Amino acid sequence: EDQVTQSPEALRLQEGESSSLNCSYTVSGLRGLFWYRQDPGKGPEFLFTLYSAGEEKEKERLKATLTKKESFLHITAPKPEDSATYLCAVGDYGGSQGNLIFGKGTKLSVKP
Amino acid sequence: GAVVSQHPSWVICKSGTSVKIECRSLDFQATTMFWYRQFPKQSLMLMATSNEGSKATYEQGVEKDKFLINHASLTLSTLTVTSAHPEDSSFYICSARDFISRAGGPPKNIQYFGAGTRLSVL
Repeated sequence: EDQVTQSPEALRLQEGESSSLNCSYTVSGLRGLFWYRQDPGKGPEFLFTLYSAGEEKEKERLKATLTKKESFLHITAPKPEDSATYLCAVGDYGGSQGNLIFGKGTKLSVKP
Repeated sequence: GAVVSQHPSWVICKSGTSVKIECRSLDFQATTMFWYRQFPKQSLMLMATSNEGSKATYEQGVEKDKFLINHASLTLSTLTVTSAHPEDSSFYICSARDFISRAGGPPKNIQYFGAGTRLSVL
């Protein structure tokens, strides 16, 4: 059974304190890994998609990396506005509907 | 990124009434849309997959007669919660799939989400 596990569940950082969020997955085949940001009471906002091990993508203070077993979301010098829940998901695009299997998320709090 | 509009953002209704939620892809066509439910401090739970012009596919445990889904066009899917009861109170989120096949590489296959609908049934 495909599974996505995120850690830690919650992370508190001081402004400027860099860190990483982890997403490990067990799937029958790599079919795309997705990172989303979700603010309270809102729908998830798309951040990145990664398809192959070794791939990296960056957006402002965020950088996503992918290996064969896990993905990391690195946050460099975070600001309070980066506070949100970050969701990781594995996509199944191989001839099917393209369902996403979500992890439970990491709630990030950045204090000024 | 692409924009998905979900309406209403918040609805309160009496027990026994029906509520319709709309999900629109504003700047792309979506053959496939998804409906999720999210409980407090939990991740998204897929309820059903909606395909334009055909019947929706429901996940195990989701009552298709309770949650009616219609996907009549490439930019609009609706979810109707019929005879709503307090236990149906939740946060409902839709997504639309932006899919483009690409030669020599993986297809572009990204789900863009609406802002969600908070349903409270009294």
